[in-house]
Amino acid sequence: ETGVTQSPTHLIKTRGQQVTLRCSSQSGHNTVSWYQQALGQGPQFIFQYYREEENGRGNFPPRFSGLQFPNYSSELNVNALELDDSALYLCASSFLPERTGNTIYFGEGSWLTVV
Amino acid sequence: AQKVTQAQTEISVVEKEDVTLDCVYETRDTTYYLFWYKQPPSGELVFLIRRNSFDEQNEISGRYSWNFQKSTSSFNFTITASQVVDSAVYFCALKNYQLIWGAGTKLIIKP
Repeated sequence: ETGVTQSPTHLIKTRGQQVTLRCSSQSGHNTVSWYQQALGQGPQFIFQYYREEENGRGNFPPRFSGLQFPNYSSELNVNALELDDSALYLCASSFLPERTGNTIYFGEGSWLTVV
Repeated sequence: AQKVTQAQTEISVVEKEDVTLDCVYETRDTTYYLFWYKQPPSGELVFLIRRNSFDEQNEISGRYSWNFQKSTSSFNFTITASQVVDSAVYFCALKNYQLIWGAGTKLIIKP
C-alpha cells in the first residue's frame, strides 16, 4: 500500500451534476496532483497543488477545480458533469522540491460514471 | 515538445518467457525523471522505478530490469521469467513538473 487514500472508490452521477473527490496524501508528502484516466488510455494531468495553491495545470476547463488543505490532503471538484468526464480519477502524492529518492505514489483511484 | 511513446499496445507471452517493454521519450530538458508504473485491473498505479536523467546506470530488481539509454532516449523494461501475476498494463512516464505518460502496454502472461 502507498499510504495515499482516495474516496469515494466508485460513484455514479447524472450529467449536469457536480462531484467532489477526496485524497489524503502520503505522510511526509506536501504535493498532490490529480490525473484523469479514460478507459484504455494513459492518465492525463489535470493539476497539481503545492502549499495549498495550484502550481501547474493541464488542458482541462475551469469547471475542474481543486483545493489543498493545510494537512496536504486535497479535493477535486468537477462542475456541470459531462458524459466524457466518466473516467478513473487518480490522486498522486509527492514532495517538492525534488530530492534524491523522491517518488510519486498513487491512490487506488475514484471511478466516476456520468449517465 | 515532451512526449512518451510506448509503441507496443499489447504483448502476449507464455509464462517463464522473458519480455521487454519499450519506452521512447522526447524532451528538451536536461534534468528530467523517468518512471515505470504497473496498473493491474483494480486501477491503482503501482510504482516500479524512478530514474533521473543524470543516472544512466541500469538497474535490476529481482526479475525486473531497466535499460536507460540517453543516446537513444529510451528507457526499456525487461521482465525475466515472466509470471501470470505480471499481467497488467505498464506505463512509462516522463516528469518535469508533471507526469507525461505513454499510452501503456498491456502485458498478458499465459499459463
